[in-house]
Amino acid sequence: EVQLVESGGDLVQPGGSLRLSCVTSGFTFSNYWMNWVRQAPGKGPEWVANIKPDGSIQNYMDSGKGRFTISRDNAKNSLYLQMNSLRAEDTAIYYCSAGLGYWGQGTLVTVSS
Amino acid sequence: ENVLTQSPGTLSLSPGERATLSCRASQTVSSSRLAWFQQKPGQAPRLLISGVSSRATGIPDRFSGSGSGTDFTLTISRLEPEDFAAYYCHFYEGSPQTFGQGTKVET
Repeated sequence: EVQLVESGGDLVQPGGSLRLSCVTSGFTFSNYWMNWVRQAPGKGPEWVANIKPDGSIQNYMDSGKGRFTISRDNAKNSLYLQMNSLRAEDTAIYYCSAGLGYWGQGTLVTVSS
Repeated sequence: ENVLTQSPGTLSLSPGERATLSCRASQTVSSSRLAWFQQKPGQAPRLLISGVSSRATGIPDRFSGSGSGTDFTLTISRLEPEDFAAYYCHFYEGSPQTFGQGTKVET
């Protein structure tokens, strides 16, 4: 059974940092482009970042460049998102996905004072 | 950035009716990297269609995708009760990837 389990979401003050994790099982993690996608309350999904199977290429949404860092550990079948200088508009459920078809249930990030 | 505009915002239909959802891209999708997702409240998006018209594993054949260039369509031939949900198109070539703002299919 395919599983993606996100963790690390929390309430954080503006300007703060969080590190999200996504632990996966049930598929060959090292074969997949991995993504972070977020969804603000009542809004549609928004792509955040992705990373190549071998970790050599990372892409980011414009508002995440310089603040977010996506990384992976293929030995641990895990994906990460380091988020710095957080803003209120970063408040959302953050999902990890493998390719298009495998998704976790998300972790909630709330940025508020 | 390839901006995706979905219409209508809300589609009010009854079970058994046909649903036609539109997605218009601001730039030509030359690679066919256009997907459709279904999302129900409290759930993650679920892949329905990739590559414009290829149904994902386990997706019923009442769902079909079509289009080319900048205009794409998701058709649900006969709505079942479980099909009432939000639907999003998604452009997944290069960076940044983009999603449409969604169409809600309601009864």
